[in-house]
Amino acid sequence: EDQVTQSPEALRLQEGESSSLNCSYTVSGLRGLFWYRQDPGKGPEFLFTLYSAGEEKEKERLKATLTKKESFLHITAPKPEDSATYLCAVQALNAGKSTFGDGTTLTVKP
Amino acid sequence: ETGVTQTPRHLVMGMTNKKSLKCEQHLGHNAMYWYKQSAKKPLELMFVYNFKEQTENNSVPSRFSPECPNSSHLFLHLHTLQPEDSALYLCASSQRDLTDTQYFGPGTRLTVL
Repeated sequence: EDQVTQSPEALRLQEGESSSLNCSYTVSGLRGLFWYRQDPGKGPEFLFTLYSAGEEKEKERLKATLTKKESFLHITAPKPEDSATYLCAVQALNAGKSTFGDGTTLTVKP
Repeated sequence: ETGVTQTPRHLVMGMTNKKSLKCEQHLGHNAMYWYKQSAKKPLELMFVYNFKEQTENNSVPSRFSPECPNSSHLFLHLHTLQPEDSALYLCASSQRDLTDTQYFGPGTRLTVL
């Protein structure tokens, strides 16, 4: 059974304090790993898809990386508007649906 | 309107009521989905529609009944729900199927009394 574990559950940072969110996964052949951002009261917003170990993608202050066991979402010099819950999901080659993690709730204080 | 829209945004209903959730996507996609998001739990895929045909039902109780009249619209009909069904119900769409990037609506916050 595919599994996704995100850590930490919650992260509080000062504005400008860089950090990383972790997504550990087990899957029988990875089709893709997805990162989403979810603001309170809203649906998840797609950020990145990573397909193979060693792949990296960047968007503004966010950078996602992938290994064979985990993915990191690095946040460089975060701002208060980066506060949200970040969701990770994996999709196996032999499965249609994605398996989601519980998410990491990030709070950035000014 | 752009993207994926959902109505209503909030719904409170009794266990004997019948209500419907509506989703509309303006992206020209051919696949639509219903998800359930409960507090402290991961997103759960409920139903999958490809080209208006239901292709997946993940052991969802029959008190939830989906309807997809065309590729742009998706409904979730609710009847005799239980308090534990209270959650955020999210609609999503993608170009073709689950292997494509999904775009989510804002969700309907459902409370069952």
